[in-house]
Amino acid sequence: RKEVEQDPGPFNVPEGATVAFNCTYSNSASQSFFWYRQDCRKEPKLLMSVYSSGNEDGRFTAQLNRASQYISLLIRDSKLSDSATYLCVVILASGGSYIPTFGRGTSLIVHP
Amino acid sequence: GAVVSQHPSWVICKSGTSVKIECRSLDFQATTMFWYRQFPKQSLMLMATSNEGSKATYEQGVEKDKFLINHASLTLSTLTVTSAHPEDSSFYICSAISLGRGVYEQYFGPGTRLTVT
Repeated sequence: RKEVEQDPGPFNVPEGATVAFNCTYSNSASQSFFWYRQDCRKEPKLLMSVYSSGNEDGRFTAQLNRASQYISLLIRDSKLSDSATYLCVVILASGGSYIPTFGRGTSLIVHP
Repeated sequence: GAVVSQHPSWVICKSGTSVKIECRSLDFQATTMFWYRQFPKQSLMLMATSNEGSKATYEQGVEKDKFLINHASLTLSTLTVTSAHPEDSSFYICSAISLGRGVYEQYFGPGTRLTVT
């Protein structure tokens, strides 16, 4: 089983739709969680951190469920510009080292 | 957010030559930097973890003698692709950890597109 799993998609949705992505992780000792956005042929950019209490930034809401070991990203009122690949990242801190593990990414296509 | 730069952004080289890629954290000190490689339509693949003042830790399958990493200061890590071959053509991305306010944050450089002819 992969350490971090995501549905690769693509999720093909119309403008204005609400879309949700999930990401599961296998190491229960993982400590930090993030969602990144990557546009084609560009580097990943931090979208938001994920906390157990939930984290909302405008149209984006991220949630962590430690018991079930998954994180989620909800995008409301999708825009064309939201089309990208969304990567979940799980960080394991061990002995002063930080080990980030990336999911393969979920592709989102928002169409008019 | 924090800024990470990479140089060069695009390089074309002949097979057999070596290429050095620089990764700099511009407004913070990074004791740990990561080097990734990404082939078209594939996910990021971690190549190695670079710690300032010590040897890099390479992921399984990554040749340390081919991909030389030097993390000489808290703001600079370099990746040298030695004796490059066409199969080394890829998008190389570095990232650096910022531990500002005790919170872990990872920032990526803009990437270096390497084409080996």
